[in-house]
Amino acid sequence: QKEVEQDPGPLSVPEGAIVSLNCTYSNSAFQYFMWYRQYSRKGPELLMYTYSSGNKEDGRFTAQVDKSSKYISLFIRDSQPSDSATYLCAMSEAGGGNKLTFGTGTQLKVEL
Amino acid sequence: GAVVSQHPSWVICKSGTSVKIECRSLDFQATTMFWYRQFPKQSLMLMATSNEGSKATYEQGVEKDKFLINHASLTLSTLTVTSAHPEDSSFYICSASTLEGEQFFGPGTRLTVL
Repeated sequence: QKEVEQDPGPLSVPEGAIVSLNCTYSNSAFQYFMWYRQYSRKGPELLMYTYSSGNKEDGRFTAQVDKSSKYISLFIRDSQPSDSATYLCAMSEAGGGNKLTFGTGTQLKVEL
Repeated sequence: GAVVSQHPSWVICKSGTSVKIECRSLDFQATTMFWYRQFPKQSLMLMATSNEGSKATYEQGVEKDKFLINHASLTLSTLTVTSAHPEDSSFYICSASTLEGEQFFGPGTRLTVL
């Protein structure tokens, strides 16, 4: 079993839809949780960074962490074609230079 | 967010030659940088963790004599692929960590070894 599980998709939604992306993990020591967006042939871009359980909102993006269920989510509201990319969840046991454990990434396509 | 640059963005070299890739944190100091490798349609594979002023820590299965890492300053880390072969062709990405633990990635370097 992988430490971090993420559905690879592809996930196809119409423009304007609410997108829900999820990861589950097995290591209860993970404390820091991140979501990255990666366009083809580009480096990942940090979207959300959260510590421990709870919600965090930034524009059209909302990240949720439920440590009791070992489950994290990223919601994208009013999805746009420009949101089409691969979304990677990542997590670490500690901040400040600790290495990340990544999910496999979910490929998202937002169609007109 | 913070900015991390990589140079070159792509490189083609002959088999047997060495290639150096630079990773710079442009607007923050990074005591820790990471080097990843990514194959098409796959997630990132951590190669090594680089700390300023000390030897890099390599992941299991990564040859430290083949992938030389130098972290000479708080804003610069380099990865040198020595005696490159076609199987080393890949997308190499670096990241730099802030003190708060956020990791920002460079745009990546596409290496093709002929």
